Amino acid sequence: DTEVTQTPKHLVMGMTNKKSLKCEQHMGHRAMYWYKQKAKKPPELMFVYSYEKLSINESVPSRFSPECPNSSLLNLHLHALQPEDSALYLCASSPGQANNEQFFGPGTRLTVL
Amino acid sequence: AQKITQTQPGMFVQEKEAVTLDCTYDTSDPSYGLFWYKQPSSGEMIFLIYQGSYDQQNATEGRYSLNFQKARKSANLVISASQLGDSAMYFCAMREGYGNNRLAFGKGNQVVVIP
Repeated sequence: DTEVTQTPKHLVMGMTNKKSLKCEQHMGHRAMYWYKQKAKKPPELMFVYSYEKLSINESVPSRFSPECPNSSLLNLHLHALQPEDSALYLCASSPGQANNEQFFGPGTRLTVL
Repeated sequence: AQKITQTQPGMFVQEKEAVTLDCTYDTSDPSYGLFWYKQPSSGEMIFLIYQGSYDQQNATEGRYSLNFQKARKSANLVISASQLGDSAMYFCAMREGYGNNRLAFGKGNQVVVIP
């Protein structure tokens, strides 16, 4: 299995809703990432988990809450989002060693109403 | 300062022709890695090719090659024999240092392949 999967593909939520994005990989990778991407822009790093521990938090608002239950799974819990949070959310993984590429999932297109 | 610069406007390329996408980078770290990703309209970021700062030869992967000019801090992507499926946004990215998980992305180049 050489892919990163993400569910759901599309999500529409209200500002008072609580939802979660899920990411899974079975490549034995030890680093997993969440990115946010606005249209026509490059991805922006949000969080990095390395060996199941949060190693990077790019000053992301607390309405985004990451969770890494095990080495294969990465969740992003969403609560009280704003319309400007609407974006493509990409998950990625890498072996965790230096100079290894990150493998991206297909993304979740989030719309906040 | 911007770490990765991609300045070309959107490009139209004739099918079967080669296209070169420019990327310049800025780092003072002697150890770094350069990556190119393709992002079609579906959204998935697809890894294309990698060049390490200590690699002696330019990287190649099928129809993709990387023209690495270290002194000029340039890492241009060359796509040979363009296909309609190559229409996408292309991002150049860099990782600085050893064991650093952060990628700095350029703004991307939009490529449209026309029949």
